[in-house]
Amino acid sequence: AQKITQTQPGMFVQEKEAVTLDCTYDTSDPSYGLFWYKQPSSGEMIFLIYQGSYDQQNATEGRYSLNFQKARKSANLVISASQLGDSAMYFCAMREGPVQGAQKLVFGQGTRLTINP
Amino acid sequence: EAGVAQSPRYKIIEKRQSVAFWCNPISGHATLYWYQQILGQGPKLLIQFQNNGVVDDSQLPKDRFSAERLKGVDSTLKIQPAKLEDSAVYLCASSLVPSGIYEQYFGPGTRLTVT
Repeated sequence: AQKITQTQPGMFVQEKEAVTLDCTYDTSDPSYGLFWYKQPSSGEMIFLIYQGSYDQQNATEGRYSLNFQKARKSANLVISASQLGDSAMYFCAMREGPVQGAQKLVFGQGTRLTINP
Repeated sequence: EAGVAQSPRYKIIEKRQSVAFWCNPISGHATLYWYQQILGQGPKLLIQFQNNGVVDDSQLPKDRFSAERLKGVDSTLKIQPAKLEDSAVYLCASSLVPSGIYEQYFGPGTRLTVT
């Protein structure tokens, strides 16, 4: 069975510092995708970044980058120059299912990030 | 572009009562998902629709939960009868196609409290 593990229940970081949120995954499928979502206190899940298993380069989206280490089965999210508005829950998720068929996301337990001024 | 709409935002019911949630996905999105998010956990997929049809309902407690997506647009999720352990946020999401590289867009969720 595939699963996602986020080992940091909570993280506290000073504003403007960089922060790394850990995510490890377990799958035997050669084709998979990894997502990071942000969930602020309002409750809505906001897509941040995606990494495909065959992508040669680590994904980047503005201040977000994904440190993808395939051999170690890790997909850590790096947020550079953190801002107060980054305080939220962060979820790592993995797509499972055939590429051309029904697919679903399996989520980790999440990490609560708090940015201190 | 309007996002995924859900209603109601909050609902409090007593156990054994019934409740229904409504979701309107982003226009043109063929795939619709219902997730259950229990406090302190990540979302768990309950059911996935592709247009009108169900493609995955393996984690839907079918003895009490039901969902439909009429005309391939709006969807309703119903719980009857509700149990205390059904207290959670119910998230609806949609995507243009079944998620491959395409991200799912989530609605604000419905927070259900069963007393």
